Amino acid sequence: DTAVSQTPKYLVTQMGNDKSIKCEQNLGHDTMYWYKQDSKKFLKIMFSYNNKELIINETVPNRFSPKSPDKAHLNLHINSLELGDSAVYFCASSQGWQGRNEQFFGPGTRLTVL
Amino acid sequence: DAKTTQPTSMDCAEGRAANLPCNHSTISGNEYVYWYRQIHSQGPQYIIHGLKNNETNEMASLIITEDRKSSTLILPHATLRDTAVYYCIVRAAETSGSRLTFGEGTQLTVNP
Repeated sequence: DTAVSQTPKYLVTQMGNDKSIKCEQNLGHDTMYWYKQDSKKFLKIMFSYNNKELIINETVPNRFSPKSPDKAHLNLHINSLELGDSAVYFCASSQGWQGRNEQFFGPGTRLTVL
Repeated sequence: DAKTTQPTSMDCAEGRAANLPCNHSTISGNEYVYWYRQIHSQGPQYIIHGLKNNETNEMASLIITEDRKSSTLILPHATLRDTAVYYCIVRAAETSGSRLTFGEGTQLTVNP
C-alpha cells in the first residue's frame, strides 16, 4: 500500500491553463504539505495544513490554491499556469505539525508548462 | 531554524561505511538534527533524527558531537541503492512549525 500517493505523476499543459494535482495519505496523519522542487533541485515548502486548517503559506502566488477536503487529502489547484511553474511538486504528511515529527513524501508530480 | 553546511559530493565503495558530515554550528538547544535522502526521481525519504544522543535505526546511525555543532550520518554497509542526495536539516522540536528547510545536500555516489 502506498502511504502518500499523488496523481497525476506527469502533467504536461499549455500556459494559461488551470490544473489540479491530488494527494492522498493513508497513514492517519493530521498534517499535510506541498513542496516544490525546481530545475536546480531546491526543495521549498509551499503550504501546510493541519487538521484541514492552513498553518503555513509561503510566499506563493495566489494562483496556487490548496484545498483540504479532509485530513487524508490535500489537493493543489493552479490557475493561469506560467512557464516558471514547471517543476516537480511533492506532497508530504506527518503525524503532527511539531518539528519533531518526520515527514513522509509522495512520489512527486512532474509539471511541464509549454 | 539553524543553517547547515554539507559537502557537495562524496564517493563510497559498495559494502563500505559511508560517513556523511554536517556542520550546524548555530544550532539551538531545542533543535533536532534530521537526515533525509532523495534517490533520483523519487520523493525525499526520512532516515533518522536526534537531539543530543547518538541514534541508530535499521537504516543508519547518527553521531552528534557533544557540543552539538556537527553530526555524522553513517550508512554502515553502503549499497548501490544508497546513491542519493542526503540532506541534513536542523529544526526546532515544537515551536517553529512544520516546515522542512532543505539545503543543497550531499550527493553520495556508491561505486561497485
